[in-house]
Amino acid sequence: QSVLTQPPSVSGAPGQRVTISCNGSNSNLGAGYDVNWYQQFPGTAPKLLIYRNNNWRPGVPDRFSGSKSGTSASLAITGLQPEDEADYYCQSFDSSLSGKVFGGGTKLTVL
Amino acid sequence: EVQLVESGGGLVQPGGSLRLSCATSGFTFSSYRMNWVRQAPGKGLEWIAYINSGSSPIYYADSVKGRFSVSRDDVKKTLYLQMTSLRDEDTAIYFCAREYTGSYFFDHWGQGTLVTVSS
Repeated sequence: QSVLTQPPSVSGAPGQRVTISCNGSNSNLGAGYDVNWYQQFPGTAPKLLIYRNNNWRPGVPDRFSGSKSGTSASLAITGLQPEDEADYYCQSFDSSLSGKVFGGGTKLTVL
Repeated sequence: EVQLVESGGGLVQPGGSLRLSCATSGFTFSSYRMNWVRQAPGKGLEWIAYINSGSSPIYYADSVKGRFSVSRDDVKKTLYLQMTSLRDEDTAIYFCAREYTGSYFFDHWGQGTLVTVSS
């Protein structure tokens, strides 16, 4: 059971918009800690996508955007492309655990 | 170019020990906080250890506390993870990850090394 909760899967057709939610608690997102997002393709290491809630890592297309409010956060992908098919993880810091925490991951399928 | 290269993974019996290394280049290693993150087969990411620049403080996830030990050699620019009393559930790919200065996120990751705990 992950500290941050994500849907196991989302899907969308090319060109559509999808969102991936990330729900936390008052000891992580609700305590003001930032949320970060990673993209992982099969057999490869995760790569930072969005940091500090809504900042793009250089080179990341602006089709990806992040937001955070209270104990929840979300990653939005507009103009979905086949190459976006990957696993996405949210991550933050948890003060009660004194450590970083991840969501369980969301598999994005481009139909 | 920032590079992190893990090594030391392999097959080990339950109860055994293993030491992982993460050799780095392309940045001032001594100035950065470093972490280990693992991923069990077909599962999500799990943060397991943190070491500050200067080697203090150090934090561990409850799942490995008392069994794993993280250390660093700033001269060799290498991060280590000493794993003891290994269990089946420690089977995973182990990634080292650099922590962005002043933040709680990982801006660079190694390619990972596979640890398999099995008799």
